[in-house]
Amino acid sequence: EAGVTQFPSHSVIEKGQTVTLRCDPISGHDNLYWYRRVMGKEIKFLLHFVKESKQDESGMPNNRFLAERTGGTYSTLKVQPAELEDSGVYFCASSWAATYGYTFGSGTRLTVV
Amino acid sequence: AQKITQTQPGMFVQEKEAVTLDCTYDTSDPSYGLFWYKQPSSGEMIFLIYQGSYDQQNATEGRYSLNFQKARKSANLVISASQLGDSAMYFCAMIQGGATNKLIFGTGTLLAVQP
Repeated sequence: EAGVTQFPSHSVIEKGQTVTLRCDPISGHDNLYWYRRVMGKEIKFLLHFVKESKQDESGMPNNRFLAERTGGTYSTLKVQPAELEDSGVYFCASSWAATYGYTFGSGTRLTVV
Repeated sequence: AQKITQTQPGMFVQEKEAVTLDCTYDTSDPSYGLFWYKQPSSGEMIFLIYQGSYDQQNATEGRYSLNFQKARKSANLVISASQLGDSAMYFCAMIQGGATNKLIFGTGTLLAVQP
């Protein structure tokens, strides 16, 4: 089965621009998670979808971040406008049930200059 | 608040030797799960091993074993017979209960296996 796919793998944008990250979960996985790792720090939870609904978005840093999961399939995470501190690696993960079977994607490395 | 602490930013180990990566955790919830993930230079997060708080035995998966000491709140990863391909960043994580089951991660340990 195909794994969790994220793209782009790398993105370099200027401060103030908009970037959209995409995550395609494993087919049939209702649970989709976004995490972020800022350089040198721990990986932090951003939000959790169950199908198309946001189950928990307590980790979203601020209103410049908007996540969607239309139709309960792929998800996008938009940063608008991007700031320097948004640089980091954004991971997506999916699971069949909200238990322990996480599968992570390879991440998107975002650099804001 | 729940927290994961990895005190070793970097480790070196000789090929074929065993290495222990430290992880301590803090939680007041009696039910929790502990994970170890490997992140090679290619970037993907690879699940290695899982330990549930009520598991009576330490988890093992091939060359990976988890030294679970509940009273000390530690969940160290032991890699036996290190291989060059084990060079990577290793993250310890704890699953937080509730409807979300989000993971709480440590800062990671960068392991370098030397020939």
